[in-house]
Amino acid sequence: NAGVTQTPKFRVLKTGQSMTLLCAQDMNHEYMYWYRQDPGMGLRLIHYSVGEGTTAKGEVPDGYNVSRLKKQNFLLGLESAAPSQTSVYFCASSYGAGGLQETQYFGPGTRLLVL
Amino acid sequence: EDKVVQSPLSLVVHEGDTVTLNCSYEVTNFRSLLWYKQEKKAPTFLFMLTSSGIEKKSGRLSSILDKKELFSILNITATQTGDSAVYLCAPDNYGQNFVFGPGTRLSVLP
Repeated sequence: NAGVTQTPKFRVLKTGQSMTLLCAQDMNHEYMYWYRQDPGMGLRLIHYSVGEGTTAKGEVPDGYNVSRLKKQNFLLGLESAAPSQTSVYFCASSYGAGGLQETQYFGPGTRLLVL
Repeated sequence: EDKVVQSPLSLVVHEGDTVTLNCSYEVTNFRSLLWYKQEKKAPTFLFMLTSSGIEKKSGRLSSILDKKELFSILNITATQTGDSAVYLCAPDNYGQNFVFGPGTRLSVLP
C-alpha cells in the first residue's frame, strides 16, 4: 500500500513548455485534489475531482488543466508553463463519504521550477 | 531512507494546558521543515523553519528547529478546543520531496 504517489519529484521547465504531473493513489479514494504550495503561504487548491470522469475548479485553476480518466489517477497539466507556476505541487486524496470536509492524505509533492 | 517520527502520536489535554509536540527527522539534503495543522480536509500551513535556534511565533503557537540534533518542536500555550487537530511536520528534502510525518492527534477537552 503506497498511499499517494506523485511523478515526477522534481522538474525544470522553460517558459512556454508543457508538462503533466501524475498523481496515483491505491486506497480506492473517490476524491482527489491538486494543490500548490508557495513559500510562506498555505496550500491553495487548483482543481479537484469527486469521482472518476469528473473534475472541478478550485481556488487557483487558471493555467492548469486536469483529467481523471481512472479512479486511481489524477493528472495535472500545464499547457504553457509560466514562471509564476514555479511552486511545489501536492496531490491528495480522500474517501469522499464526508464530502470535501474529509481528511485528506497527501503525496510527497512535486517541485517545479519554470525558467 | 528518509524518516520522520512525531511524538506523541496522540495527546489529550484540557483547555488552558500547554503542549509540546515533537518531530525528529532523518532526510538527505535537508532544506527546511514545515508544520501543518490538519482539522479536516487540507492541512493549513503554520510555520516554515530553515535556521536552527530561531523561534517562530504565531499567537499561542511557537516552533523551533535544531538542525544539529535533527528535530523540531511545536508549542501551544493556553490550549483551546479549537486547537484540536492533527499536527503534521514535513521536512523539505530539497530537490527530492517532502516527507510527511504520521502526525500528532491533539484533543483539547473543555
